[in-house]
This record gives sequence, C-alpha cells and structure tokens, in this order.
Amino acid sequence: DGGITQSPKYLFRKEGQNVTLSCEQNLNHDAMYWYRQDPGQGLRLIYYSQIVNDFQKGDIAEGYSVSREKKESFPLTVTSAQKNPTAFYLCASSLAGRGNEQFFGPGTRLTVL
Amino acid sequence: AQSVTQLDSQVPVFEEAPVELRCNYSSSVSVYLFWYVQYPNQGLQLLLKYLSGSTLVESINGFEAEFNKSQTSFHLRKPSVHISDTAEYFCAVMGTGGFKTIFGAGTRLFVKA
Repeated sequence: DGGITQSPKYLFRKEGQNVTLSCEQNLNHDAMYWYRQDPGQGLRLIYYSQIVNDFQKGDIAEGYSVSREKKESFPLTVTSAQKNPTAFYLCASSLAGRGNEQFFGPGTRLTVL
Repeated sequence: AQSVTQLDSQVPVFEEAPVELRCNYSSSVSVYLFWYVQYPNQGLQLLLKYLSGSTLVESINGFEAEFNKSQTSFHLRKPSVHISDTAEYFCAVMGTGGFKTIFGAGTRLFVKA
C-alpha cells in the first residue's frame, strides 16, 4: 500500500535535547511538508521541500531543521532552540504542480518533559 | 497572500440532522479550495476539493461544498450526519499560482445520538 509513515507515534524528550522525527513516503511525490498542530490553531507550516536536496523555511521554522537527501525521506529535527516544542507534528507529501492535494502521515506527538 | 477563517470552532449536532460547517477565505488571486477531515490522533485526509468548473463539489460519503466567489466562501454541508462523522474538519486554500496550502483553524463536529 502506498502512503506516508511517521515514527515514532509518541516521543518524549527532556529539555535541552535535540530529537529527530522520521517521515517516509512511497507515493513517488516530489513535494514534502512538515506542519505543527496545536489545539485551536490549525496547521502551521514549518518546512517544505519541492525537490531532493532543496528545502525552504515555512512560517515557523525557528528551532527546527530538515534534510532532503532522498525523495522518499524528509526528517525533521526539533532542536533545543525551539522554545515550546510540545505539539503534534504532521508530515505530508504531494505531487508537484498546482492544485494537488496533500497526503498526510499519522503524526508524531512530541512531549517535552 | 491567502487566509482562511472557519467561523465555528465547534458544532454539536444530533444524528441524522443536517449540518453546515462555514469557511470564508481571503485572497488577491484565484484559488483552489479544499476540505480535509481529521479523526482523533490521526493525520488529515482529503474530503473534497474545488479546482475549477462546477461550483458544487461532492465527496463519496455524502458531504458537499459550494464555491461562492462573490462571497469568498466554501461552506461544507451534509444533509444527514452519522455518529462516525464526528471529527475535526479543516478548510484550506491554495493560490492557483503557487503550491503552499493555508489551513483554517478547524471546526470540531460532534455528532450526538
């Protein structure tokens, strides 16, 4: 089955630690995205990538970093510089071009202790 | 730039009653419009989308939405809801010249028996 996988489903981190969230897709999509979801705020774009080895900052990139070394993979690192990292993180992908909907993974819930 | 306003944060409704979830958008350019649904602790799934043509679009599970350009709205309706429709619904907009998707804050639909 084609789709997007995110791991782990739940993640706990101590303050001051970096943590990496995994996102893999086998849909052969060129574009991939990372969103942060907080209650009552909808989805906010962290980073996006339209092609391998290229990515751009979204609206709330501070304290986060990404890489896109393979078409299938777009890992997100939450660094210690992110002041309020506890949230639900969603990865998505889409075909390149206009008007294409995004396909979402099941999400990772990160809690900072 | 685009923005999306979902006018109701929560909508409680009895089973088999009709429902309307309201969405207004703002954009200086032509847009594509989407509704996504999110079940608890899961990612988002596309419900329906408007790209062009007929202003009334339908989903496979009985939802429909109508694009109203003059009122800049894309309200989601269902004539008779089921318990299983309980979820959070997100309206989203994409400019026809770009690929970034802007999401609304979400409307939580709660269907009561």
